[in-house]
Amino acid sequence: GAGVSQTPSNKVTEKGKYVELRCDPISGHTALYWYRQSLGQGPEFLIYFQGTGAADDSGLPNDRFFAVRPEGSVSTLKIQRTERGDSAVYLCASSLSGSGDTQYFGPGTRLTVL
Amino acid sequence: QKEVEQDPGPLSVPEGAIVSLNCTYSNSAFQYFMWYRQYSRKGPELLMYTYSSGNKEDGRFTAQVDKSSKYISLFIRDSQPSDSATYLCAMTGTNAGKSTFGDGTTLTVKP
Repeated sequence: GAGVSQTPSNKVTEKGKYVELRCDPISGHTALYWYRQSLGQGPEFLIYFQGTGAADDSGLPNDRFFAVRPEGSVSTLKIQRTERGDSAVYLCASSLSGSGDTQYFGPGTRLTVL
Repeated sequence: QKEVEQDPGPLSVPEGAIVSLNCTYSNSAFQYFMWYRQYSRKGPELLMYTYSSGNKEDGRFTAQVDKSSKYISLFIRDSQPSDSATYLCAMTGTNAGKSTFGDGTTLTVKP
C-alpha cells in the first residue's frame, strides 16, 4: 500500500512569511508524528497526534508553530513569521495505534527560509 | 548532555566487513529501541525494532539491547556498498508517542 506522503517536497520562503506543510499518513493509522531534522542531526520530536487531538505537543519550539489534524487523517504543520533558524527537513511519521507501534516516515519537506 | 548519544563517525569499511554501530542513553524509561537507515535526502527507514533487553536477528542485521548498561548495538554482517547510509538509533518510552533519536552514524562501504 501507499506509504506516508508529504507535500511539498521542497519549500523556499522568505523570512517573516507563513508556510504550511502537509502530511498524508498511511490509511488506517491513528497516530501521526511531526519531527524536524537539521543537517547532521537526528530527527527532533515536535508533536504527536492520536486521532484528531494532539496527545503531546511538548516539542513545538514556540508559539509560531502549530499543527492540526481535523479529521484524524491528513495533518498540516503551520509556521508563522518564519525565521532562518526554521530551515530544516520536516518529517512526518504515522503508526497504527501509537502504543509502541512502528513509526513509518515520509520523505520529508525541505524548508529553506531566506 | 543529550538523552541519546551516538558516535557520528564517519565510518568507512571494505565490502564484506562486519560493522558495529552503537548508542548509549540516559533515560531508564525507554522500552522500545529502533534502528533506522537514512539515505541522503530520504526519510528514515526502519531496520530493526526491539522491545526491552535482548537480541534480535533479521538477515544480515542483529540488534542488541543491554538495558542494565543503557547501551544498544546494531551489527551488519557481510556489509555491501548498498548499506552506505546514515544509521539512526531511536528510543521510545512506555507511554509510546514520541521517539528520541541519536544524531546518526554515517557509514560508507567501499567495494
